[in-house]
Amino acid sequence: QKEVEQNSGPLSVPEGAIASLNCTYSDRGSQSFFWYRQYSGKSPELIMSIYSNGDKEDGRFTAQLNKASQYVSLLIRDSQPSDSATYLCAVSPGGKLIFGQGTELSVKP
Amino acid sequence: EAQVTQNPRYLITVTGKKLTVTCSQNMNHEYMSWYRQDPGLGLRQIYYSMNVEVTDKGDVPEGYKVSRKEKRNFPLILESPSPNQTSLYFCASGPSGGTDTQYFGPGTRLTVL
Repeated sequence: QKEVEQNSGPLSVPEGAIASLNCTYSDRGSQSFFWYRQYSGKSPELIMSIYSNGDKEDGRFTAQLNKASQYVSLLIRDSQPSDSATYLCAVSPGGKLIFGQGTELSVKP
Repeated sequence: EAQVTQNPRYLITVTGKKLTVTCSQNMNHEYMSWYRQDPGLGLRQIYYSMNVEVTDKGDVPEGYKVSRKEKRNFPLILESPSPNQTSLYFCASGPSGGTDTQYFGPGTRLTVL
């Protein structure tokens, strides 16, 4: 089992819809959870971090964490074509940072 | 401008020829790290450093060396590169280890023939 797993995608949603990205992790000692966005040919950039169970909202983005289920998700509301990118889930058990393989999102106008 | 810089951005080399990829940050960050990104495998951590003179192995350290003699610099050394080290390499820095934002450099595309 991979330490951090994401839906491989690609995920295609129409403009204005909600995009839902999911991630599971295996290390129960993980304390910090991140979502990075990576446009084609560019570096990853952090869009959300979450450290405690529940929801965290930032603009159109909501991260959800359930440590009991070892599950992290990212919801993107009112998806825009500019949201088309690969989304990387990352988990830190402390010191190290472990990434999932990424989910490619395509938002169609 | 706050940034992480990497050099070179592109490199084609041959098997066995030692090379160094430099990484420098101007944000006074304690934490620095190297990753490689391969299709289908995502980003994998090679080495990380929590502070000067402190380095630790990530998930794929074999074939790589690092050093952290100064806070701002974290070079990646390939003593004897092999074709399976052909990859896209990213350096990143952050205020603390794993529990805070990491800022990524622009990447170095390495090809080992």
